[in-house]
Amino acid sequence: DIQMTQSPSTLSASVGDRVTITCRASRNANTWVAWYQQKPGKVPKFLIYKASSLQSGVPSRFSGSGSGTEFSLTISSLQPDDFATYYCQQYNVYPWTFGQGTKVEMK
Amino acid sequence: EVQLLESGGALVQPGGSLRLSCAASGFTFSNYGMTWVRQAPGKGLEWVSGISGRGAATYYAESVEGRFTVSRDNPQNTLYLHMSSLRVEDTAVYYCAKVFTSGGVIVGGTDSWGQGTLVTVSS
Repeated sequence: DIQMTQSPSTLSASVGDRVTITCRASRNANTWVAWYQQKPGKVPKFLIYKASSLQSGVPSRFSGSGSGTEFSLTISSLQPDDFATYYCQQYNVYPWTFGQGTKVEMK
Repeated sequence: EVQLLESGGALVQPGGSLRLSCAASGFTFSNYGMTWVRQAPGKGLEWVSGISGRGAATYYAESVEGRFTVSRDNPQNTLYLHMSSLRVEDTAVYYCAKVFTSGGVIVGGTDSWGQGTLVTVSS
């Protein structure tokens, strides 16, 4: 299995901050990585696919990058609606696997 | 509009069995791979199983391999997860989710999720 390790586990930030979350794969995931946002009690929301492609309807302040084993999700200017937990996922090989999550909280 | 509605979650004893269902609407069900993802209380997301559009290919997480079986009934637009030999650590909300396709090409990841159904394994 490909293990996905996110860092940090928790990130404290303020509205307007630039925020970056990193995800490291235990072996090559090519660019087959997705990112999701989940708020408490809600269903995960699909943000980014193929490492850097923005899903339709997702604000342009979200961006993804990376390939191989290093990936990142960046929020260019954090908005109040962005405080949530974020997960990366590889789907290069089965079983698909998620990172453990990064909680973005208010500083 | 894509809609996915899970059902079948319940309280079950360790060693027991359960079948989850996911009723799909708003898209041509047979054209899409589907997955099951679970989330234990207060924990992160765990991918559980996947199945191809026609049902010919199935995939499982190591944690459920040999105990869970994914299947689908395309004429009925329904996805299933048959769970047996249930363990306390299988306690979670189980989501069904649709595999993302763009321009007719399977891209991967999951773009639509149901609201989930709670499975509690406890004596």
